[in-house]
Amino acid sequence: EAQVTQNPRYLITVTGKKLTVTCSQNMNHEYMSWYRQDPGLGLRQIYYSMNVEVTDKGDVPEGYKVSRKEKRNFPLILESPSPNQTSLYFCASSSSGDLNTDTQYFGPGTRLTVL
Amino acid sequence: KQEVTQIPAALSVPEGENLVLNCSFTDSAIYNLQWFRQDPGKGLTSLLLIQSSQREQTSGRLNASLDKSSGRSTLYIAASQPGDSATYLCAVRSGGSYIPTFGRGTSLIVHP
Repeated sequence: EAQVTQNPRYLITVTGKKLTVTCSQNMNHEYMSWYRQDPGLGLRQIYYSMNVEVTDKGDVPEGYKVSRKEKRNFPLILESPSPNQTSLYFCASSSSGDLNTDTQYFGPGTRLTVL
Repeated sequence: KQEVTQIPAALSVPEGENLVLNCSFTDSAIYNLQWFRQDPGKGLTSLLLIQSSQREQTSGRLNASLDKSSGRSTLYIAASQPGDSATYLCAVRSGGSYIPTFGRGTSLIVHP
């Protein structure tokens, strides 16, 4: 089954404790991205990647890191989480990043709480 | 900078009604517009994607239209059902950017 998976689905942590949220897709997609969703602010893109070893900042990259060492995986790293990073996080992928035709496929989400 | 607005923010209708959800955007130079459905606590599911050269797309009871000149898209849902209850989001890609701009969504409740 074609899908985007994220782990963990729920995470409660404390300020400053490094964490990684994994994202994996099995559709051989080149384009992957991370979003956060907050009440009243909607979905905002954090980082995206056009291909292996190619990443770029989205609208809200501060406090986050990403890496793309393999095509299928795109982990989101919070080196020193803070309470304002409490949010619902989504990973997404699409086949080529073609701006005209690309359809994004989303993972189920990771709900992160930073105390 | 592109801004996307969805009206209404919430909608409650009885089962069987035909309904229209609206999405407006400020920059008409778009590449595509995509409609998504989000169930509570779940990820987004793509419903329809309209390329900039297209006027509408249809899938089952859903029909999405695009009018770039007026900066508007509508999602038409025919014969609504309780299973259609969800939040509907539109997202626009524009300006050569790989960063889509999302609206804040319309929360739809269809009651039996």
